[in-house]
Amino acid sequence: QKEVEQNSGPLSVPEGAIASLNCTYSDRVSQSFFWYRQYSGKSPELIMSIYSNGDKEDGRFTAQLNKASQYVSLLIRDSQPSDSATYLCAVNMGGGGADGLTFGKGTHLIIQP
Amino acid sequence: DGGITQSPKYLFRKEGQNVTLSCEQNLNHDAMYWYRQDPGQGLRLIYYSQIVNDFQKGDIAEGYSVSREKKESFPLTVTSAQKNPTAFYLCASSVPGMYGYTFGSGTRLTVV
Repeated sequence: QKEVEQNSGPLSVPEGAIASLNCTYSDRVSQSFFWYRQYSGKSPELIMSIYSNGDKEDGRFTAQLNKASQYVSLLIRDSQPSDSATYLCAVNMGGGGADGLTFGKGTHLIIQP
Repeated sequence: DGGITQSPKYLFRKEGQNVTLSCEQNLNHDAMYWYRQDPGQGLRLIYYSQIVNDFQKGDIAEGYSVSREKKESFPLTVTSAQKNPTAFYLCASSVPGMYGYTFGSGTRLTVV
């Protein structure tokens, strides 16, 4: 069974602090990893992708991948109220992704002004 | 601008009725997907298609049907056999392989 696990939250973070979102996945051969942001009532928006171990930075966002631990995380620096949303972790599990991405249930992030 | 268009944005279905959700993309993507999202739940895969005239069942295909007659279009029909169709339906497309998806804006289906 392919699984992607996230803490559902809510995760409450003060404005200006670092928000840390975590995700674990079950398939060791997974090759590509994605973070989506979803505002209430809207569709998911891709914000980060990562394919190799280590850190990848894009503006205030940093994705971290540790394939040995089957763990991927998203850090949001200088959190803003507009960052309040549900963050979905998605993993392309094995076989070149013939059946697409497997999504976690998402972490609900609240940035407190 | 390239993107994915889903229509309608809101749809109401009567008991025993089939309804069709439209999904059109102009991104020249080969792969297209349909997901269902229920409140507080993640995305569950209904059907996917890697090429024209071919599609595969996802995790929750029962009560749904699709077609892929054109690269740009991947409509989803919710049949009367789907007993609990009220949900947010999302269409996505991608280049097959290790890449992320682009999502449409979604269709919210409600049974009345």
